[in-house]
Amino acid sequence: EPEVTQTPSHQVTQMGQEVILRCVPISNHLYFYWYRQILGQKVEFLVSFYNNEISEKSEIFDDQFSVERPDGSNFTLKIRSTKLEDSAMYFCASTAGEGEQFFGPGTRLTVL
Amino acid sequence: QKEVEQNSGPLSVPEGAIASLNCTYSDRGSQSFFWYRQYSGKSPELIMFIYSNGDKEDGRFTAQLNKASQYVSLLIRDSQPSDSATYLCAESWGNNRLAFGKGNQVVVIP
Repeated sequence: EPEVTQTPSHQVTQMGQEVILRCVPISNHLYFYWYRQILGQKVEFLVSFYNNEISEKSEIFDDQFSVERPDGSNFTLKIRSTKLEDSAMYFCASTAGEGEQFFGPGTRLTVL
Repeated sequence: QKEVEQNSGPLSVPEGAIASLNCTYSDRGSQSFFWYRQYSGKSPELIMFIYSNGDKEDGRFTAQLNKASQYVSLLIRDSQPSDSATYLCAESWGNNRLAFGKGNQVVVIP
């Protein structure tokens, strides 16, 4: 069964460093998303992406964040200068259209 | 800002019993609702979605949507220990962005 994959599973970085989180959405899906979940809190929407551009972003997704689909399969989230409060699980999700979103296993980001 | 509320504390049910979870939402115009299951340290896993008023059944799971009262519920019949997890209610809005509730923890006691 097709699934969303994410790498790395765990990323440790120093405050102020740049990180890139990678996702491979399900192959025939057209809509891609990033969510994050701080430990013990709810899952929060960051950004949605369709047709090679951002379709919507939340107030969390400030200038420190960017997304890219560099090729036909990968979808990346970049955080330019990480802060302690960026420590969270980051989930990529995809959907074929207006319907259920399938989540990847997540990347645990730890900022020291 | 969309608000999805899941206010109940942890729910303990004996194996084989029915677990009942509720979720309320703030926007009367909302159309699509989803139930996800999340095991500790794992990603949300879709259980089912519902768009129309009434009940929708899938195996041991039944989702119920009442748009007039703005609530969504999930029933888990014949609860199994493997059902022990946190259940997340989510509402779709805008360009299909999901707004999640905090989740309800379910513990199935063998």
